[in-house]
Amino acid sequence: EDQVTQSPEALRLQEGESSSLNCSYTVSGLRGLFWYRQDPGKGPEFLFTLYSAGEEKEKERLKATLTKKESFLHITAPKPEDSATYLCAVQPTTSGTYKYIFGTGTRLKVLA
Amino acid sequence: EAQVTQNPRYLITVTGKKLTVTCSQNMNHEYMSWYRQDPGLGLRQIYYSMNVEVTDKGDVPEGYKVSRKEKRNFPLILESPSPNQTSLYFCASSLGSGGADTQYFGPGTRLTVL
Repeated sequence: EDQVTQSPEALRLQEGESSSLNCSYTVSGLRGLFWYRQDPGKGPEFLFTLYSAGEEKEKERLKATLTKKESFLHITAPKPEDSATYLCAVQPTTSGTYKYIFGTGTRLKVLA
Repeated sequence: EAQVTQNPRYLITVTGKKLTVTCSQNMNHEYMSWYRQDPGLGLRQIYYSMNVEVTDKGDVPEGYKVSRKEKRNFPLILESPSPNQTSLYFCASSLGSGGADTQYFGPGTRLTVL
């Protein structure tokens, strides 16, 4: 069964304290892996798409990496405005379907 | 402005009273989808549509109906809502190229079924 697991569930960091969020996935084949940011009461906002193992993408203080079994979202020197829930999703290559499967997210709180 | 819109944003209703949540996108996207988000369960896909008149079930389709008569609109219908359908609902759209396309999400509809 296709599955996505994110860890930790919640993370508190001091401003400037770098860390990583993990997204482990089990799929028969991977069409793509996505990272989203979600602020309370709002829709998810797209961050990155990764397609194959070894791929990396960066945006400001965020860097996403991908292996055959997991993805990491590295946050370098975070600021309070980086506080949000970070969601990981995969699109498996299951024949004839175009589903997206989301993890339950990591709630990040960055303290000033 | 490119966007996905949903209406209503908030809805309180009673068990069994049929309702429709509308979703519209102005990006000429082929793919549209509905999700529900519940604490501890994350975002779960209800239905998706690859094109006009083409829909398919996601992981939690029971109790919901959808239709795609126009490219820009993808309404979610609850014909007989029950309290376990109380949730935060999101509509999303993407290019629908057949590859791993980025989904763009609407602002959400918070539904309470009493």
